[in-house]
Amino acid sequence: GEDVEQSLFLSVREGDSSVINCTYTDSSSTYLYWYKQEPGAGLQLLTYIFSNMDMKQDQRLTVLLNKKDKHLSLRIADTQTGDSAIYFCAERTGLTGGGNKLTFGTGTQLKVEL
Amino acid sequence: EAGVAQSPRYKIIEKRQSVAFWCNPISGHATLYWYQQILGQGPKLLIQFQNNGVVDDSQLPKDRFSAERLKGVDSTLKIQPAKLEDSAVYLCASSFSGGADTDTQYFGPGTRLTVL
Repeated sequence: GEDVEQSLFLSVREGDSSVINCTYTDSSSTYLYWYKQEPGAGLQLLTYIFSNMDMKQDQRLTVLLNKKDKHLSLRIADTQTGDSAIYFCAERTGLTGGGNKLTFGTGTQLKVEL
Repeated sequence: EAGVAQSPRYKIIEKRQSVAFWCNPISGHATLYWYQQILGQGPKLLIQFQNNGVVDDSQLPKDRFSAERLKGVDSTLKIQPAKLEDSAVYLCASSFSGGADTDTQYFGPGTRLTVL
């Protein structure tokens, strides 16, 4: 079955890079996603990567995928206080009845200190 | 483009009462999802609709939870009767299709339910 794991907390200084890690178990995952959740808000899609890619860069965000080890990471360059939030990794797998489903990790709380 | 709308944003009820949540997906999105997010956890899929048909409801506690999407647009999720462990944020998401493309899910702001 699907299982996604993340570390619970990460604290960085403003201006440093943040790296949030995620491991997943289902080798049939087609896409992997990173979502951001601020307090009291829904999930905001940050970026995603197709499973046949190993890297994707989008402005300050870099996603690295090691499919062999089933390891995904999100690097945020020049981290700002506005980046403080909970970050969720999610893997997309197929449903037996058709369609797709997302399985989310428990989330990593990123705290950015001045 | 308007995002996914949900109401109410907050709801407090007593156990054994009933509650309903409403979701309006992004215009043109065929697939609609309801997730439950318990404090400190990631969202868990409850039910997925493709137009007005159910694709997957294997994680929906059908003895107390029900959901419908009668005209293939808006959806309601109901809990009757509520239990203390139903306290959570209920998130609605939509995607253009449930097919083989990027099928990115966009989330609404959620309804925070507190059961006393």
